[in-house]
Amino acid sequence: GAVVSQHPSRVICKSGTSVKIECRSLDFQATTMFWYRQFPKKSLMLMATSNEGSKATYEQGVEKDKFLINHASLTLSTLTVTSAHPEDSSFYICSALTVNTEAFFGQGTRLTVV
Amino acid sequence: KNQVEQSPQSLIILEGKNCTLQCNYTVSPFSNLRWYKQDTGRGPVSLTIMTFSENTKSNGRYTATLDADTKQSSLHITASQLSDSASYICVVTRYKLSFGAGTTVTVRA
Repeated sequence: GAVVSQHPSRVICKSGTSVKIECRSLDFQATTMFWYRQFPKKSLMLMATSNEGSKATYEQGVEKDKFLINHASLTLSTLTVTSAHPEDSSFYICSALTVNTEAFFGQGTRLTVV
Repeated sequence: KNQVEQSPQSLIILEGKNCTLQCNYTVSPFSNLRWYKQDTGRGPVSLTIMTFSENTKSNGRYTATLDADTKQSSLHITASQLSDSASYICVVTRYKLSFGAGTTVTVRA
């Protein structure tokens, strides 16, 4: 199957700083990528849909100024958590959609804000 | 109401036994229905994918079935192993991805 690489896998940052998470489709082009947040023992919660070359579409309740999404190319989307706070600590996962509408997921990023 | 409902929420089975997970959906028609396995702290990994017209798909000890009439899919795990302990997620894709809440499987020796 197709490969989606997410980086970093773990990051610890101080409160007030910003953290960037990258999501790359390694062997296919993805016009659409998704960003999810997952709390322990809970299902994935869609945060936003990222479309190449256009603004991301955010789900209700997700602050777009807090979670900046950039999808500048067909193989790369980034999620930047700005002015991070401890409540932003979570597991963040991206997925990329192939032209056949198959979704492949990144490995996830464990963010800890101290 | 969620468009994809999974049951049971969790189950515990003994190593070597079989189990079946259920997925009921209301999204119809759809592009594909996938079953994913998610280990703790990792991203979901695809196990099987079926289009609207397919009835069954196997991947090793994992067999997925699809009944478009009843809008149900199942994932059967044969001869379970300790490494099968994970969450199993049913995802139906039409214009967007619709996720089930997942079934947490625990395999005990």
